[in-house]
Amino acid sequence: AQSVTQLDSHVSVSEGTPVLLRCNYSSSYSPSLFWYVQHPNKGLQLLLKYTSAATLVKGINGFEAEFKKSETSFHLTKPSAHMSDAAEYFCVVSRDTGFQKLVFGTGTRLLVSP
Amino acid sequence: SAVISQKPSRDICQRGTSLTIQCQVDSQVTMMFWYRQQPGQSLTLIATANQGSEATYESGFVIDKFPISRPNLTFSTLTVSNMSPEDSSIYLCSGSGGEVMDTQYFGPGTRLTVL
Repeated sequence: AQSVTQLDSHVSVSEGTPVLLRCNYSSSYSPSLFWYVQHPNKGLQLLLKYTSAATLVKGINGFEAEFKKSETSFHLTKPSAHMSDAAEYFCVVSRDTGFQKLVFGTGTRLLVSP
Repeated sequence: SAVISQKPSRDICQRGTSLTIQCQVDSQVTMMFWYRQQPGQSLTLIATANQGSEATYESGFVIDKFPISRPNLTFSTLTVSNMSPEDSSIYLCSGSGGEVMDTQYFGPGTRLTVL
């Protein structure tokens, strides 16, 4: 069965410093992996997705993630945090090969201080 | 891309009553899904809404409690029946496939409180 583990429930950074949100996956086949962001009282927005093409995936708002099969990881990074990045981030794996049924991680709340 | 809207955005209901949530997509999508996000928790898939046929439910969710309709490629409804306080959650719909290809887009959610 496919699953994801987000290693940190909360991450705190200062504005202008790097962001690292960690995610490990488990999958019986080559997975499709996603990062979604949820701002307070807003819907989920897709940041980026990995679907077996390039292992370094660039997303919106300066975020990127690297798929590492040897480490079963898909960590999300950003070189410089902005106050507007404060939100809940979900690492997600597709439960099937058609990217349809998604399995969500427990989420990481990113806090950005001035 | 796709824009998904949900109505109502929030509601407060009495136990034992039912609430129907509407989901509208601005593009034709092959697949539509309904998720639940309980307070402080992640999203759990309730069911896949199939056009013209019965929805496909995930383990732990049943049609009598969460009847779903999908009359066309852009619209679906989820009813939460005979509600109890444990049903207090955010309910989200999503769509993928068709015009939006393999990306799954989400609605803003319906925040339900059951007293």
